[in-house]
Amino acid sequence: DVEVVESGGGLVQPGGSLKLSCATSGFSFSGSALHWVRQASGKGLEWLGRIRSASKNYATVYAASVKGRFSISRDDSQSTAYLQMNSLKTDDTAVYYCTRHHDYGDYVAPLDYWGQGTLVIVSS
Amino acid sequence: QSALTQPASVSGSPGQSLTISCTGTSGDIGGHNYVSWYQHHPGKAPKLLIFDVSLRPSDIPDRFSGSKSGNTASLTISGLHAGDEADYYCSSYVTSSSPYWVFGGGTKLTVL
Repeated sequence: DVEVVESGGGLVQPGGSLKLSCATSGFSFSGSALHWVRQASGKGLEWLGRIRSASKNYATVYAASVKGRFSISRDDSQSTAYLQMNSLKTDDTAVYYCTRHHDYGDYVAPLDYWGQGTLVIVSS
Repeated sequence: QSALTQPASVSGSPGQSLTISCTGTSGDIGGHNYVSWYQHHPGKAPKLLIFDVSLRPSDIPDRFSGSKSGNTASLTISGLHAGDEADYYCSSYVTSSSPYWVFGGGTKLTVL
């Protein structure tokens, strides 16, 4: 069975940092691109960024709203992805989801496996 | 990086059909077929319903269908039942020098 489990959320002060983890199993992690998506209370889904597979040189791309503050990394040996969040703002308060797409060739596969999310609260 | 436009809410009675629209631009929905739809029950993981405009994963019933015309994609749900009450999101890949993904604002479906 496929499992995607986010962890590391919690309460952090404005200006602080937090690192989220995304542990996975049941699919080819090394052949996947990993994405992070968030949802603030009462709002829609917001795509944050993705990291590609080794065959695509672990290329990363980020949404303008988090570029320069957030970074995505991965450990293929542990089938785990990470989201490092720095200089956090109150507007970053949200549930953070990890998801993936099968990363092959030029085809852009859909985001098919998702976790249930981890809550990050930025507040003093 | 503007969100795609969806109606905030739709409603229907059990057994009825309804359609949710998702409007973008020629840079996203209108530029290719990488359009997906997701069902999201609060507190749960979002679920992929439709990908590549109109394709369904093997575990999704054919009551769910997708289409596209120009810069607008649509999700149609037929034979509504109580379990379909959820939030629905469209999503599109955006081709650019720095590619990214964009979601719609979400549509709350209420089964009356």
